[in-house]
Amino acid sequence: DTGVSQDPRHKITKRGQNVTFRCDPISEHNRLYWYRQTLGQGPEFLTYFQNEAQLEKSRLLSDRFSAERPKGSFSTLEIQRTEQGDSAMYLCASSLVRRLYNEQFFGPGTRLTVL
Amino acid sequence: GQQLNQSPQSMFIQEGEDVSMNCTSSSIFNTWLWYKQDPGEGPVLLIALYKAGELTSNGRLTAQFGITRKDSFLNISASIPSDVGIYFCAGSLFTSGTYKYIFGTGTRLKVLA
Repeated sequence: DTGVSQDPRHKITKRGQNVTFRCDPISEHNRLYWYRQTLGQGPEFLTYFQNEAQLEKSRLLSDRFSAERPKGSFSTLEIQRTEQGDSAMYLCASSLVRRLYNEQFFGPGTRLTVL
Repeated sequence: GQQLNQSPQSMFIQEGEDVSMNCTSSSIFNTWLWYKQDPGEGPVLLIALYKAGELTSNGRLTAQFGITRKDSFLNISASIPSDVGIYFCAGSLFTSGTYKYIFGTGTRLKVLA
């Protein structure tokens, strides 16, 4: 079990550019979550997938953000026309849904800095 | 976005001391998770709680699911320098097939050797 992995770990971009992050969940996990974390705050929910279906999106996820999980395995999060306010740690988590039990395991995160 | 209240926000303690922190919510949850996060890394799951009143231990860590289902507590016994980090609680209510978690604001722990 290699855990949740995210790539890249760090990304520096200029305002207005597009960025894409990748998350590889734990292999048998069917749920995948994206969170955003700013300095001094806890993770804030953005969206989640069950298999390839995107089931819920937060109001934090503006129309510049899009997430996909095309084959129910890895997921990508794209931010178009980045703004300085998008600077944050983007965390991915995965879980195996079982009745009453849902432990989420996080990846190391992607730190985005928008200049 | 919505975040749960955690207290204390930060604490300095001497090595060997016991630590207590808690998390409260205005909503009822049926799952509580506790995580530890080191700088620049993702949160690492410490303890999961699924039943009101449940008391669960993981080494020197003990967590409890409050009987009102609106709070949870984490205790660390005999703290050591590597306990330094930020501790987050996360609560979830399973409704309509959704397992979305809401996180607390974090408790920053510093241990003095």
